[in-house]
Amino acid sequence: NAGVTQTPKFQVLKTGQSMTLQCAQDMNHEYMSWYRQDPGMGLRLIHYSVGAGITDQGEVPNGYNVSRSTTEDFPLRLLSAAPSQTSVYFCASRGDRGGNQPQHFGDGTRLSIL
Amino acid sequence: AQSVTQPDIHITVSEGASLELRCNYSYGATPYLFWYVQSPGQGLQLLLKYFSGDTLVQGIKGFEAEFKRSQSSFNLRKPSVHWSDAAEYFCAVAGANNLFFGTGTRLTVIP
Repeated sequence: NAGVTQTPKFQVLKTGQSMTLQCAQDMNHEYMSWYRQDPGMGLRLIHYSVGAGITDQGEVPNGYNVSRSTTEDFPLRLLSAAPSQTSVYFCASRGDRGGNQPQHFGDGTRLSIL
Repeated sequence: AQSVTQPDIHITVSEGASLELRCNYSYGATPYLFWYVQSPGQGLQLLLKYFSGDTLVQGIKGFEAEFKRSQSSFNLRKPSVHWSDAAEYFCAVAGANNLFFGTGTRLTVIP
């Protein structure tokens, strides 16, 4: 039972580079989301999706793009990495669109931008 | 707007002692509340949730939480802490498309 799988676990980038953080879930969940975790700030929502082909912005979307072509996958793209994007990124999913069910989290991707 | 406050950044308790982690929320309607635990280098694991009904909810690992609408609180408790409980704990309230997290409480357990 894999749940939510994130790759890579660690990544170091130079300023201006681009990369994609991968997220896959095998629970057939409609809702998927990306959070970033910064010290003293808890987790903040970057983007979310309520189903294939549907995405929307969260609290801190600037500098990030997402797409949802399948139910299983929800990649997060950094188009031009900046040091302010150094963070731990978590992908999560839940079975309903409405917000009542708890979210299942991946183990995170630790990203450093030099 | 929804928000969560965890007033204690860091708590230290002795193994075997009781524990209470505080959480206060702001939400206009009946809240859906969660407690998550995060061990170092790991993702978040759900401890328990409150949707409605009984205000005292039981979770995994011997944790419980009490919802008090009059105080806008959802405090997490455990009667006897184990060394393996050392972690960071997050309280969260659900919005329509978001989870609003508190800033977390780091728990240290001393022998």
